[in-house]
Amino acid sequence: AQSVAQPEDQVNVAEGNPLTVKCTYSVSGNPYLFWYVQYPNRGLQFLLKYITGDNLVKGSYGFEAEFNKSQTSFHLKKPSALVSDSALYFCAVRELYGNNRLAFGKGNQVVVIP
Amino acid sequence: ETGVTQSPTHLIKTRGQQVTLRCSSQSGHNTVSWYQQALGQGPQFIFQYYREEENGRGNFPPRFSGLQFPNYSSELNVNALLLGDSALYLCASSSRVLLSYEQYFGPGTRLTVT
Repeated sequence: AQSVAQPEDQVNVAEGNPLTVKCTYSVSGNPYLFWYVQYPNRGLQFLLKYITGDNLVKGSYGFEAEFNKSQTSFHLKKPSALVSDSALYFCAVRELYGNNRLAFGKGNQVVVIP
Repeated sequence: ETGVTQSPTHLIKTRGQQVTLRCSSQSGHNTVSWYQQALGQGPQFIFQYYREEENGRGNFPPRFSGLQFPNYSSELNVNALLLGDSALYLCASSSRVLLSYEQYFGPGTRLTVT
């Protein structure tokens, strides 16, 4: 069964500094990978996805993520963090074949310090 | 384009009662998935509906059931509520026709069981 690990509970970063949120995955076959962001008392908002092709994918709000098949990782990155990026970030994976079930990590709280 | 909507926003029920949560999918989306997000956790897949039939189920007991209607909207029903059912319930829609793969989430229904 597919699964995701987000090893850090919280990521603290100063405003203007690079932001990285880590994610590793486990899936049989080729993965579809996603990042979502959740603000307090809100649903999940889609940021970006990797399906196939270029290992570096760009998404909303200046975020990007790098797919690394050998390390089974899909880390989320932003070159310059904003205070408004403070939120809960979830990595998710689904298998290439089968239904559209997503397996989520436990989430990472990102705190951007002014 | 109308996004995913859910009702009600908040709900308080007593242990043993039954509850129905509702979801309207995003325009053009024919697949609806339901997730349970306990406090401090990532969303857990409950089940998915496609063409008005259940199409995949997570590790949830039969007292969690659902429906999908011809207009692709959906209901989640939970019988014999337990204290542990207290969570944010998220509905997500997607389109198999468009093969866009990502799921779009509604704002959720916060269920509290007392």
